[in-house]
Amino acid sequence: QKEVEQDPGPLSVPEGAIVSLNCTYSNSAFQYFMWYRQYSRKGPELLMYTYSSGNKEDGRFTAQVDKSSKYISLFIRDSQPSDSATYLCAMKGGSYIPTFGRGTSLIVHP
Amino acid sequence: GAGVSQTPSNKVTEKGKYVELRCDPISGHTALYWYRQSLGQGPEFLIYFQGTGAADDSGLPNDRFFAVRPEGSVSTLKIQRTERGDSAVYLCASSSSPANTGELFFGEGSRLTVL
Repeated sequence: QKEVEQDPGPLSVPEGAIVSLNCTYSNSAFQYFMWYRQYSRKGPELLMYTYSSGNKEDGRFTAQVDKSSKYISLFIRDSQPSDSATYLCAMKGGSYIPTFGRGTSLIVHP
Repeated sequence: GAGVSQTPSNKVTEKGKYVELRCDPISGHTALYWYRQSLGQGPEFLIYFQGTGAADDSGLPNDRFFAVRPEGSVSTLKIQRTERGDSAVYLCASSSSPANTGELFFGEGSRLTVL
């Protein structure tokens, strides 16, 4: 079992839908939780980060962390075709090295 | 530019050859990471530098892989006796604050194809 599990999709939704992306993890030491977005043939870019449990909102994006369940989520409201990309969750604990999930491919069609 | 620069963007080589991939991080970033990303997978950690030294090289798959960062800026990932299984996108990232948020700034990657 990998430390970080993420469904690869693809997830296809119509424009304007609410999107829910999720990851589970097994390492209790993880404290920092991040979501990266990766467009085709580009490097990942950081969308959001959260420390420990709780919610964080930034515009149309909301990140949630439930450490008791070892489960994190990213919600995208009013999804747009430009949101079509691969979304990678990443986590780290005491080390300086984030561990990534395999990514979920999201397709938002007009 | 101000971002992380990686060269070459594409490299095709034959099995058994030697390859070097270069990374130029964001100016002033002391932390530098190499990851490898295979098709349909997430980035897999290879090595982490803090300054000139390799602080953690536990992700290097075997002794054919080696990386240097002699002056604490540019880094080179070196792969000897390449194998077809080495084909992947090699991503470099840099960070100014690895101990906190963990935000890494990635380059666009070097796509390696071993024939």
